[in-house]
Amino acid sequence: AQSVTQPDIHITVSEGASLELRCNYSYGATPYLFWYVQSPGQGLQLLLKYFSGDTLVQGIKGFEAEFKRSQSSFNLRKPSVHWSDAAEYFCAVGARGFQKLVFGTGTRLLVSP
Amino acid sequence: DVKVTQSSRYLVKRTGEKVFLECVQDMDHENMFWYRQDPGLGLRLIYFSYDVKMKEKGDIPEGYSVSREKKERFSLILESASTNQTSMYLCASRSQSGENTGELFFGEGSRLTVL
Repeated sequence: AQSVTQPDIHITVSEGASLELRCNYSYGATPYLFWYVQSPGQGLQLLLKYFSGDTLVQGIKGFEAEFKRSQSSFNLRKPSVHWSDAAEYFCAVGARGFQKLVFGTGTRLLVSP
Repeated sequence: DVKVTQSSRYLVKRTGEKVFLECVQDMDHENMFWYRQDPGLGLRLIYFSYDVKMKEKGDIPEGYSVSREKKERFSLILESASTNQTSMYLCASRSQSGENTGELFFGEGSRLTVL
Protein backbone atom coordinates (compact mmCIF):
# COMPACT_ATOMS: atom_id res chain seq x y z
CA ALA A 1 0.00 0.00 0.00
CA GLN A 2 1.11 3.53 -0.67
CA SER A 3 2.05 5.95 2.09
CA VAL A 4 3.34 9.50 2.26
CA THR A 5 5.45 11.19 4.91
CA GLN A 6 5.77 14.92 5.30
CA PRO A 7 8.22 15.24 8.18
CA ASP A 8 7.75 18.95 8.81
CA ILE A 9 4.50 19.98 10.48
CA HIS A 10 5.31 23.70 10.40
CA ILE A 11 7.92 25.70 8.53
CA THR A 12 8.58 29.43 8.84
CA VAL A 13 10.37 31.21 6.02
CA SER A 14 11.19 34.86 5.57
CA GLU A 15 9.61 36.58 2.63
CA GLY A 16 12.00 36.46 -0.31
CA ALA A 17 13.87 33.43 1.01
CA SER A 18 13.92 30.07 -0.70
CA LEU A 19 11.67 27.21 0.32
CA GLU A 20 11.88 23.44 0.30
CA LEU A 21 9.11 21.22 1.62
CA ARG A 22 9.93 17.57 2.05
CA CYS A 23 7.89 14.61 0.91
CA ASN A 24 8.83 10.93 1.07
CA TYR A 25 6.62 8.21 -0.29
CA SER A 26 6.42 4.48 -0.07
CA TYR A 27 5.27 2.55 -3.09
CA GLY A 28 6.63 -0.49 -4.85
CA ALA A 29 6.48 0.82 -8.42
CA THR A 30 6.71 4.19 -10.12
CA PRO A 31 4.03 6.34 -8.57
CA TYR A 32 1.97 9.30 -9.61
CA LEU A 33 2.99 12.19 -7.34
CA PHE A 34 1.21 15.44 -6.55
CA TRP A 35 1.55 18.59 -4.52
CA TYR A 36 -1.57 20.44 -3.45
CA VAL A 37 -1.96 23.74 -1.60
CA GLN A 38 -4.78 24.73 0.72
CA SER A 39 -5.36 28.34 1.67
CA PRO A 40 -7.31 28.99 4.89
CA GLY A 41 -10.96 28.06 4.57
CA GLN A 42 -10.52 26.74 1.05
CA GLY A 43 -10.36 23.42 -0.72
CA LEU A 44 -7.16 22.04 -2.19
CA GLN A 45 -5.62 23.30 -5.41
CA LEU A 46 -3.14 21.35 -7.52
CA LEU A 47 0.33 22.91 -7.68
CA LEU A 48 2.02 20.29 -9.83
CA LYS A 49 2.16 16.60 -10.65
CA TYR A 50 4.60 13.98 -11.81
CA PHE A 51 3.53 11.05 -13.94
CA SER A 52 6.62 10.19 -15.99
CA GLY A 53 9.44 11.74 -17.99
CA ASP A 54 11.47 14.68 -16.78
CA THR A 55 11.97 14.32 -13.06
CA LEU A 56 11.93 18.08 -12.48
CA VAL A 57 8.40 19.36 -12.88
CA GLN A 58 7.20 22.92 -12.96
CA GLY A 59 3.95 24.01 -11.44
CA ILE A 60 1.86 27.07 -10.88
CA LYS A 61 2.85 30.07 -8.76
CA GLY A 62 6.56 29.51 -9.39
CA PHE A 63 6.77 26.14 -7.63
CA GLU A 64 8.77 23.16 -8.82
CA ALA A 65 9.38 19.66 -7.51
CA GLU A 66 11.94 16.98 -8.23
CA PHE A 67 11.22 13.26 -8.28
CA LYS A 68 14.15 11.28 -6.90
CA ARG A 69 13.49 7.58 -7.22
CA SER A 70 16.59 6.55 -5.26
CA GLN A 71 15.45 8.59 -2.28
CA SER A 72 11.69 7.99 -2.71
CA SER A 73 11.27 11.72 -2.47
CA PHE A 74 9.31 14.44 -4.21
CA ASN A 75 10.34 17.69 -2.55
CA LEU A 76 8.65 20.97 -3.38
CA ARG A 77 10.75 24.08 -3.93
CA LYS A 78 10.36 27.76 -4.61
CA PRO A 79 13.28 30.15 -5.04
CA SER A 80 11.63 33.19 -3.47
CA VAL A 81 8.63 32.98 -1.17
CA HIS A 82 5.87 35.58 -1.15
CA TRP A 83 3.58 36.36 1.78
CA SER A 84 0.67 34.96 -0.24
CA ASP A 85 2.34 31.53 -0.21
CA ALA A 86 1.40 31.08 3.45
CA ALA A 87 -0.86 28.03 3.39
CA GLU A 88 -0.87 24.32 4.05
CA TYR A 89 0.82 22.05 1.54
CA PHE A 90 -0.01 18.42 0.93
CA CYS A 91 1.95 15.79 -0.93
CA ALA A 92 0.00 12.87 -2.38
CA VAL A 93 0.82 9.58 -4.09
CA GLY A 94 -1.23 7.37 -6.35
CA ALA A 95 -0.55 4.07 -8.06
CA ARG A 96 -0.61 3.75 -11.83
CA GLY A 97 -4.07 2.75 -12.91
CA PHE A 98 -5.05 4.00 -9.49
CA GLN A 99 -8.38 4.85 -8.09
CA LYS A 100 -7.41 6.81 -5.01
CA LEU A 101 -4.72 9.15 -3.76
CA VAL A 102 -3.03 8.87 -0.40
CA PHE A 103 -2.18 12.19 1.20
CA GLY A 104 0.50 13.19 3.66
CA THR A 105 -0.36 14.96 6.88
CA GLY A 106 0.55 18.34 5.46
CA THR A 107 3.10 21.08 6.15
CA ARG A 108 1.91 24.50 7.26
CA LEU A 109 4.02 27.28 5.79
CA LEU A 110 4.29 30.56 7.66
CA VAL A 111 5.91 33.53 5.93
CA SER A 112 7.54 36.17 8.11
CA PRO A 113 8.08 39.77 6.94
CA ASP B 1 -13.95 26.78 -15.10
CA VAL B 2 -14.20 23.42 -13.43
CA LYS B 3 -16.27 23.39 -10.33
CA VAL B 4 -17.01 21.12 -7.42
CA THR B 5 -19.72 22.50 -5.18
CA GLN B 6 -20.44 21.35 -1.67
CA SER B 7 -23.90 22.39 -0.60
CA SER B 8 -23.09 23.42 2.97
CA ARG B 9 -19.95 25.20 4.15
CA TYR B 10 -20.84 24.99 7.84
CA LEU B 11 -23.20 22.64 9.66
CA VAL B 12 -23.98 22.12 13.32
CA LYS B 13 -25.81 18.92 14.24
CA ARG B 14 -26.67 17.05 17.40
CA THR B 15 -25.49 13.60 18.34
CA GLY B 16 -27.69 10.94 16.76
CA GLU B 17 -28.97 13.11 13.93
CA LYS B 18 -28.79 11.94 10.33
CA VAL B 19 -26.56 14.19 8.25
CA PHE B 20 -26.37 14.56 4.49
CA LEU B 21 -23.44 16.22 2.79
CA GLU B 22 -24.01 16.93 -0.86
CA CYS B 23 -21.43 17.38 -3.59
CA VAL B 24 -22.01 18.29 -7.22
CA GLN B 25 -19.46 18.54 -10.03
CA ASP B 26 -19.99 20.06 -13.44
CA MET B 27 -17.07 18.45 -15.27
CA ASP B 28 -18.66 15.13 -16.26
CA HIS B 29 -16.02 13.32 -14.19
CA GLU B 30 -16.32 9.61 -13.65
CA ASN B 31 -14.67 9.45 -10.23
CA MET B 32 -15.77 11.18 -7.05
CA PHE B 33 -14.35 11.07 -3.55
CA TRP B 34 -15.11 12.03 0.04
CA TYR B 35 -12.21 12.83 2.34
CA ARG B 36 -12.19 14.04 5.89
CA GLN B 37 -9.50 16.42 7.06
CA ASP B 38 -8.33 16.66 10.66
CA PRO B 39 -5.37 18.58 12.09
CA GLY B 40 -2.25 16.47 12.16
CA LEU B 41 -3.90 13.64 10.22
CA GLY B 42 -4.09 15.17 6.76
CA LEU B 43 -6.77 13.91 4.39
CA ARG B 44 -8.21 10.47 4.89
CA LEU B 45 -10.38 8.79 2.30
CA ILE B 46 -13.85 7.81 3.46
CA TYR B 47 -15.46 6.52 0.26
CA PHE B 48 -15.04 6.90 -3.44
CA SER B 49 -17.10 6.19 -6.50
CA TYR B 50 -15.67 5.38 -9.90
CA ASP B 51 -19.01 5.49 -11.68
CA VAL B 52 -22.72 5.97 -11.15
CA LYS B 53 -24.12 3.59 -8.54
CA MET B 54 -20.62 2.26 -7.86
CA LYS B 55 -18.85 2.83 -4.58
CA GLU B 56 -15.76 1.63 -2.79
CA LYS B 57 -14.75 1.93 0.82
CA GLY B 58 -11.78 4.07 1.57
CA ASP B 59 -9.60 3.96 4.63
CA ILE B 60 -12.13 5.12 7.23
CA PRO B 61 -15.66 4.16 6.09
CA GLU B 62 -17.06 3.26 9.51
CA GLY B 63 -20.04 5.40 10.44
CA TYR B 64 -20.52 6.69 6.89
CA SER B 65 -22.37 5.69 3.76
CA VAL B 66 -22.58 7.24 0.30
CA SER B 67 -24.94 7.53 -2.61
CA ARG B 68 -24.27 8.20 -6.27
CA GLU B 69 -27.47 8.04 -8.26
CA LYS B 70 -26.34 10.56 -10.87
CA LYS B 71 -22.93 11.11 -12.36
CA GLU B 72 -22.62 14.66 -11.16
CA ARG B 73 -23.72 14.12 -7.56
CA PHE B 74 -22.06 12.24 -4.71
CA SER B 75 -23.60 12.34 -1.25
CA LEU B 76 -22.04 11.45 2.07
CA ILE B 77 -24.40 10.25 4.77
CA LEU B 78 -23.83 10.04 8.49
CA GLU B 79 -26.62 7.75 9.69
CA SER B 80 -26.24 8.74 13.35
CA ALA B 81 -23.79 11.56 13.88
CA SER B 82 -21.33 11.32 16.73
CA THR B 83 -19.00 13.90 18.23
CA ASN B 84 -15.94 12.16 16.78
CA GLN B 85 -17.29 12.93 13.33
CA THR B 86 -16.75 16.64 13.91
CA SER B 87 -14.41 17.47 11.06
CA MET B 88 -13.85 19.16 7.72
CA TYR B 89 -15.24 17.10 4.85
CA LEU B 90 -13.82 17.54 1.37
CA CYS B 91 -15.39 16.31 -1.83
CA ALA B 92 -13.31 15.83 -4.97
CA SER B 93 -13.78 14.62 -8.50
CA ARG B 94 -11.48 13.34 -11.20
CA SER B 95 -11.55 12.47 -14.85
CA GLN B 96 -10.28 9.09 -15.98
CA SER B 97 -9.15 10.44 -19.35
CA GLY B 98 -7.69 13.49 -20.98
CA GLU B 99 -4.81 15.69 -19.98
CA ASN B 100 -6.04 16.14 -16.43
CA THR B 101 -6.12 12.43 -15.71
CA GLY B 102 -5.26 11.82 -12.11
CA GLU B 103 -5.80 15.37 -10.91
CA LEU B 104 -8.36 15.75 -8.16
CA PHE B 105 -10.57 18.82 -8.19
CA PHE B 106 -11.75 19.77 -4.74
CA GLY B 107 -14.73 21.58 -3.34
CA GLU B 108 -14.27 24.20 -0.65
CA GLY B 109 -15.19 21.84 2.14
CA SER B 110 -18.00 21.37 4.64
CA ARG B 111 -17.15 21.95 8.25
CA LEU B 112 -19.36 19.77 10.42
CA THR B 113 -19.70 20.20 14.16
CA VAL B 114 -21.55 17.53 16.11
CA LEU B 115 -22.67 18.58 19.59
